[in-house]
Amino acid sequence: EAQVTQNPRYLITVTGKKLTVTCSQNMNHEYMSWYRQDPGLGLRQIYYSMNVEVTDKGDVPEGYKVSRKEKRNFPLILESPSPNQTSLYFCASSTLGAKPYEQYFGPGTRLTVT
Amino acid sequence: AQSVTQLGSHVSVSEGALVLLRCNYSSSVPPYLFWYVQYPNQGLQLLLKYTTGATLVKGINGFEAEFKKSETSFHLTKPSAHMSDAAEYFCAVSPNFGNEKLTFGTGTRLTIIP
Repeated sequence: EAQVTQNPRYLITVTGKKLTVTCSQNMNHEYMSWYRQDPGLGLRQIYYSMNVEVTDKGDVPEGYKVSRKEKRNFPLILESPSPNQTSLYFCASSTLGAKPYEQYFGPGTRLTVT
Repeated sequence: AQSVTQLGSHVSVSEGALVLLRCNYSSSVPPYLFWYVQYPNQGLQLLLKYTTGATLVKGINGFEAEFKKSETSFHLTKPSAHMSDAAEYFCAVSPNFGNEKLTFGTGTRLTIIP
């Protein structure tokens, strides 16, 4: 089954404790992206990657890091989480074949930073 | 630059009534337009998309949307609401060339009244 998976689905952590949210897709997609969803703000892009070793900032990259060492994986790293990073996070992927590039979303990771 | 405005963060309709969710976009280039649905505790699922050609687009679950360039609108409709339509709906825009960045609206939560 074609899918985007994220782990963990729920995470409660404390300020300053480094964490990683994993994202994996089995569709051989070139493009992957991270979004955060906050009430009243919709989804905002954090980082995206056009292919292996190619990443770029989205609209709200501060406090986040990403890496793309393998095509299927695109982890989101919070080196020193803060309470304002409490949010619902989504990973998405798409092929770069024919436009428009329909993005497939993971189930989300709900992060709470205390 | 591109942006999306969804009028009404909450919409309530009676079961069997018309559903109308409003979306206006701003884009400096011809856009691709999307509607996504998010059911409780799930990721985003594509309802429908406009690329080029026919301005009336039909999607899943009986939804459709009409692209009106003169009004810069892409409103989502369904003739008869069902209880299972209760969800949050997001309109999104991306440019039809260049990168794949999706810009989302702030979302509309649809409640169905029995």
